[in-house]
Amino acid sequence: GQQLNQSPQSMFIQEGEDVSMNCTSSSIFNTWLWYKQDPGEGPVLLIALYKAGELTSNGRLTAQFGITRKDSFLNISASIPSDVGIYFCAGHPWGGSQGNLIFGKGTKLSVKP
Amino acid sequence: DAGITQSPRHKVTETGTPVTLRCHQTENHRYMYWYRQDPGHGLRLIHYSYGVKDTDKGEVSDGYSVSRSKTEDFLLTLESATSSQTSVYFCAISRDRGYEQYFGPGTRLTVT
Repeated sequence: GQQLNQSPQSMFIQEGEDVSMNCTSSSIFNTWLWYKQDPGEGPVLLIALYKAGELTSNGRLTAQFGITRKDSFLNISASIPSDVGIYFCAGHPWGGSQGNLIFGKGTKLSVKP
Repeated sequence: DAGITQSPRHKVTETGTPVTLRCHQTENHRYMYWYRQDPGHGLRLIHYSYGVKDTDKGEVSDGYSVSRSKTEDFLLTLESATSSQTSVYFCAISRDRGYEQYFGPGTRLTVT
């Protein structure tokens, strides 16, 4: 089946650092979504992208829909402690069924010891 | 925050017993979904609904059934719970096909 490859799997951040993560697929997607999940809670939508090449910001977060329609990235600028959590990419594949939202396995952000 | 509630939030049950999880939304969204989240597998779609009494299977539907008799409620039933169904279950909603999905707080189910 279709898969999303999300990288890195985990990373450590120090307050003030910029963070970048990405998601790739071998097939075309119509939509890219980025979510954040804190322990014990449901995923929270951060950014939704609907057009190839689209660049969208939400505060310190910026995400882009890749031109090839097969990838997306999320950047977090000037990270703060509350950015810690798991970030998921998700997308609706071209030609997918009505319920077909595919998720990446997540990028876990932790604070540097 | 999207108006989505799930009940119960936590449940422990024994193998072989029936279990029903409820999702309630106040957004009047057409689409509702049930996912399960497991370590190493991420979020996987169980069933979804595209209207009252209109449902379809997802990736991991075996052992689960759903019902939607009202726009605002989507029920997930495990007819005879098994230990492999121990998981965290999330409900999600979206206004239409292909749009962003909003998630509920989740139900942690343990089958002993």
